[in-house]
Amino acid sequence: ELKVEQNPLFLSMQEGKNYTIYCNYSTTSDRLYWYRQDPGKSLESLFVLLSNGAVKQEGRLMASLDTKARLSTLHITAAVHDLSATYFCAVDAGSGTYKYIFGTGTRLKVLA
Amino acid sequence: DADVTQTPRNRITKTGKRIMLECSQTKGHDRMYWYRQDPGLGLQLIYYSFDVKDINKGEISDGYSVSRQAQAKFSLSLESAIPNQTALYFCATSDGGTQQFFGPGTRLTVL
Repeated sequence: ELKVEQNPLFLSMQEGKNYTIYCNYSTTSDRLYWYRQDPGKSLESLFVLLSNGAVKQEGRLMASLDTKARLSTLHITAAVHDLSATYFCAVDAGSGTYKYIFGTGTRLKVLA
Repeated sequence: DADVTQTPRNRITKTGKRIMLECSQTKGHDRMYWYRQDPGLGLQLIYYSFDVKDINKGEISDGYSVSRQAQAKFSLSLESAIPNQTALYFCATSDGGTQQFFGPGTRLTVL
């Protein structure tokens, strides 16, 4: 059974600092997704990573995937207050099953 | 207009009542999903469907049932609601692997 773990669960950081959120998963998969959720809102797609070594960047966020280590990272560069949200990773359960298992989320708070 | 809609957006009901949450999509996607979100637990997959004749249980299907009435419609039912089913429920669609598109959510409270 696929398990997806994120850490940290909570992250409070100062504006301008860098930090990384980690997403580990327990079984083989080469499809991983990152989402953002603002309080009281729905989920918004950030990145789609579909192969080993995939790297995607959008603004101050960069996501990468290492399928051999079963690890994805979401790196935040020079954080700004607008990045405050909860970030989720989700993993395809394997072999293109299109059954997605989510991590518990990382609640990020960027302090001015 | 929103691509994925959910009705109702908020619902308060009593223990033992039957309730249905509805999801409609205009994206033309075959794959549809129901998730439940509890604080601190992320999203848990309840049921998913790849077409009107293909329904699959997710991680937490007990106490729930679904109906795929058409490609565009996927309903979630709680036959006899209980308080620990109080949660935020999301419907989502998928275009076959690139990402999921989520509805706005239904906040359900069971008293």
